[in-house]
Parts: sequence; structure tokens; C-alpha cells
Amino acid sequence: DQQVKQNSPSLSVQEGRISILNCDYTNSMFDYFLWYKKYPAEGPTFLISISSIKDKNEDGRFTVFLNKSAKHLSLHIVPSQPGDSAVYFCAASLIHFNKFYFGSGTKLNVKP
Amino acid sequence: SAVISQKPSRDICQRGTSLTIQCQVDSQVTMMFWYRQQPGQSLTLIATANQGSEATYESGFVIDKFPISRPNLTFSTLTVSNMSPEDSSIYLCSGGGDGGDYTFGSGTRLTVV
Repeated sequence: DQQVKQNSPSLSVQEGRISILNCDYTNSMFDYFLWYKKYPAEGPTFLISISSIKDKNEDGRFTVFLNKSAKHLSLHIVPSQPGDSAVYFCAASLIHFNKFYFGSGTKLNVKP
Repeated sequence: SAVISQKPSRDICQRGTSLTIQCQVDSQVTMMFWYRQQPGQSLTLIATANQGSEATYESGFVIDKFPISRPNLTFSTLTVSNMSPEDSSIYLCSGGGDGGDYTFGSGTRLTVV
């Protein structure tokens, strides 16, 4: 049973526009969430995180929103750049356990 | 963040053989984990590599099939034993501190024929 789901396997966006990647989770006990970016032939790299005590965290062009009642988080990239083209994974954990559960990823393509 | 070197990057192995994957971290990390990513699926946690003691395995993974070593805070190995084609996957190690931004190795793409 997958506890973290990314229902969109792919997303295509024009350069300069907003990219919105979505993630849903089922375990209401999760209290820490991350987004990772993965280029082909490389391991995932950490992008941004949010704890359950917040509903928004911003880092430059990247903003993560958390809606606990809906068990939903999203990653906004504004403005999108061609270099953002990659697979994006969301992950959730119980912070004190340090175990992360990953979604299946969304492949973002930013068109020039 | 720590940098993790993982090798081999890829291998093609005969069924029934074993492959050991190594991860070297450039600094000491509290936690190390091993994941598997099968085509089109999520990263699935195999086990937590514990320094100086037996690894903690997730449901569906056993030590006889995936023995793990972690002799110190900068190094860990995962062995995929008695391989079958179903073991074809990408294997990733990860390391980091307490609830923070974990870094990953570059992955090992394993094909079993």
C-alpha cells in the first residue's frame, strides 16, 4: 500500500510559467515532508522541506505548500526554467524515525 | 551536505550470483539507508544500515537476500544475493543526519540476466 502518491507521472510547462507538482499522502502521522529532484544517471538531490507545523516554505523559486487536512502537498516553481527539467519526488516521514516514504515521481519538462 | 560516492554505477549479472554495492560518504553521517527503485515505481526503503550492528530491514526484505554492512560512519555496502531477473532495479544509498536533508548516491543500475 503506497503511503505517498504522485498521480501525475509527467508535466510539461513553458519556460517562465509556473510549474505545480502535487503529492498526496495517506498517513496522518507524517510530520516532515521533502521534495527531491533527480536527473538521469544521478541520485536524487534534496530540494526543499516542510514540517507539519507549517503550511508554506519558500526557497527562491521553489515553494512547498502543505494542506494537512487534505493530506496534500505541492511544489511550485516560479518561474520555471529549462534546467528544472527532471523527475521530482516527494517524500514523507515521521521525523524522529528518519524513514522516508517516496512517491513514484513526476517528470517535469520545461520547454524553452 | 555530505557527498556520497556509490559504485558500481551499473552492472549486468548472471542469475544465481551476488553483487556488492558500496557507498562512501565524504563525512560522518548519523544515518544511512538503502533503497530500491523498480521501473515506474517509488523508491522503496530496503533497510537502515546501523553502524556496528545488524541492519534493520523493512517488511518484505530479509538479511539473507540483502546483507548489509556498515563498519563505520562513512561507509556501507549492500549485497544482492542469489540474484534473479526480478532483482533488476536501481539501488540507491542515502545518508544524513537527524530528520534533515539526506543526500543520495548516484545509484547502481542492476540488470540480472
